[in-house]
Amino acid sequence: EAGVTQFPSHSVIEKGQTVTLRCDPISGHDNLYWYRRVMGKEIKFLLHFVKESKQDESGMPNNRFLAERTGGTYSTLKVQPAELEDSGVYFCASSQEMTGSKEKLFFGSGTQLSVL
Amino acid sequence: AQTVTQSQPEMSVQEAETVTLSCTYDTSESNYYLFWYKQPPSRQMILVIRQEAYKQQNATENRFSVNFQKAAKSFSLKISDSQLGDTAMYFCAFMKPGTYKYIFGTGTRLKVLA
Repeated sequence: EAGVTQFPSHSVIEKGQTVTLRCDPISGHDNLYWYRRVMGKEIKFLLHFVKESKQDESGMPNNRFLAERTGGTYSTLKVQPAELEDSGVYFCASSQEMTGSKEKLFFGSGTQLSVL
Repeated sequence: AQTVTQSQPEMSVQEAETVTLSCTYDTSESNYYLFWYKQPPSRQMILVIRQEAYKQQNATENRFSVNFQKAAKSFSLKISDSQLGDTAMYFCAFMKPGTYKYIFGTGTRLKVLA
């Protein structure tokens, strides 16, 4: 079974440019999450999709970040325009419907974003 | 708001030895889940072990076990018979059931030495 895949694995862009990160969840997983880890800090929640709907986007830093999940399959996270503080590792995760004690997220390897 | 603290940024252990990674958390909830995730270099983050707060028995998974102290809000991970493949970043995480949102610590980088 294929795991959660993220593309690209690394991205280096200049301040003011646009970058789009992609996440392909495990097939059949309705729940898709984006998290971000800024250098040396904790991994922070960005948002949660259930199928194509945004369930919770309380962690999105500002309106320069736009996440989509058209068709409820893969998701994209666009940063426009990118700022220096956006640098970090962006993780995607997916899960089946969580009930009871079956809470488990499957993570991708992350996208390392460097804004210069 | 919940917080998770990992006070050890880096640790090292000799192969075959035992190491304990610390994690404390703060919450007013009575029921929740705690996790340890492992991220090997350039690889996916994977679940190591999970503990449900209402269970008093400490979770174990082969060489990995936890010491869950609910009153002290402590959730340490013990790795026995450390192997080179255990070299990774380890993250402690908290989740309130039904929220689907993990609260992570800052991570501990563990290096197993040959």
